[in-house]
Amino acid sequence: GAVVSQHPSRVICKSGTSVKIECRSLDFQATTMFWYRQFPKQSLMLMATSNEGSKATYEQGVEKDKFLINHASLTLSTLTVTSAHPEDSSFYICSARTGGGQETQYFGPGTRLLVL
Amino acid sequence: GQNIDQPTEMTATEGAIVQINCTYQTSGFNGLFWYQQHAGEAPTFLSYNVLDGLEEKGRFSSFLSRSKGYSYLLLKELQMKDSASYLCAPMDSNYQLIWGAGTKLIIKP
Repeated sequence: GAVVSQHPSRVICKSGTSVKIECRSLDFQATTMFWYRQFPKQSLMLMATSNEGSKATYEQGVEKDKFLINHASLTLSTLTVTSAHPEDSSFYICSARTGGGQETQYFGPGTRLLVL
Repeated sequence: GQNIDQPTEMTATEGAIVQINCTYQTSGFNGLFWYQQHAGEAPTFLSYNVLDGLEEKGRFSSFLSRSKGYSYLLLKELQMKDSASYLCAPMDSNYQLIWGAGTKLIIKP
């Protein structure tokens, strides 16, 4: 299957700092990438959908100025959590889809963020 | 509205067979996915059904009935490593996956 990587896998930061998470599709071109957040024992929550070269579409309740998404190429999307607060501590997972009739989403391994 | 209904938790014995049921309601339908998610890890793709019927893939099979809004995941010859959450995720008319909380499967020796 398709491989998606995410970096870093784990990050601890101080409140008020910004954190960037990278998501890469390693062996395919991802026309669409998705960013999810998951709190313990809860379902995946879609934050935003990004298509290469265009602005991300954010889900209701997700602050676009706080969670900056850049889908600069067909293999790379980044999520920047700006001015992080302890309540932003969560498991952030990206997924990628090839498109062109292949609608399967392949997930990265996730990034565990802890804001102190 | 959009809704997914799966049992919260199931327990089965190593070597046995277990069926995880899922009923769903979506705005439009473009197929249904099953994912496996081990604790603390990201989901991994198991299966995709877009037409009615049974899709078999090794020890795992997935069934879909579009008219009933129903799917199940069948796991055979259960192994301890199958202990995980299983997520039923239908895709709506906008090609968005709809996620529920999944079914936590506990395998006992």
